[in-house]
Amino acid sequence: AQSVTQLDSHVSVSEGTPVLLRCNYSSSYSPSLFWYVQHPNKGLQLLLKYTSAATLVKGINGFEAEFKKSETSFHLTKPSAHMSDAAEYFCVPFQGGKLIFGQGTELSVKP
Amino acid sequence: DAGVTQSPTHLIKTRGQQVTLRCSPISGHKSVSWYQQVLGQGPQFIFQYYEKEERGRGNFPDRFSARQFPNYSSELNVNALLLGDSALYLCATPGQSTDTQYFGPGTRLTVL
Repeated sequence: AQSVTQLDSHVSVSEGTPVLLRCNYSSSYSPSLFWYVQHPNKGLQLLLKYTSAATLVKGINGFEAEFKKSETSFHLTKPSAHMSDAAEYFCVPFQGGKLIFGQGTELSVKP
Repeated sequence: DAGVTQSPTHLIKTRGQQVTLRCSPISGHKSVSWYQQVLGQGPQFIFQYYEKEERGRGNFPDRFSARQFPNYSSELNVNALLLGDSALYLCATPGQSTDTQYFGPGTRLTVL
């Protein structure tokens, strides 16, 4: 079975500073992993997807994530936060034909 | 949300009533999945339909049912509504890869 842990329920950064949202996974095989973002009162938007073809995955809006097998991590980063990045972020495995969501990490961006 | 549409946007019902939510997948895509997102939590899988057949079901009571039509649109029905059914209901369809799901904007259901 596959599961993920988002290590922070809430992260606060200042505009223009780096963003780091942490996700650890637990799997006995190579996972199918995604990052989704949800802005307030909106649906879910796909940020990026891990494929075994590349450990560094670039997504939309300047986000990227690095799959580190040695650390079983798939952290989401962005060099410079923008006010519009304030949202809920989900690190999500795909298993058994469905996405398995946890609680997510709320990102706040201060001016 | 690459082309997935849902209706209505918002809905208010009272306990005991029944509700029908609708989803149209990305054009030509044959699979639809439904998720429930209660406030403050991540979405939870309810159903998956492919080619009008149920392919997966989450841990939801029989009050929840769904169907898929020949044009691959789908309806989610919830009977005997409870206050706890208040949530954002999301519909998703896969992209080129079956594990990559694209979500619609959702239907916000409020049960009073």
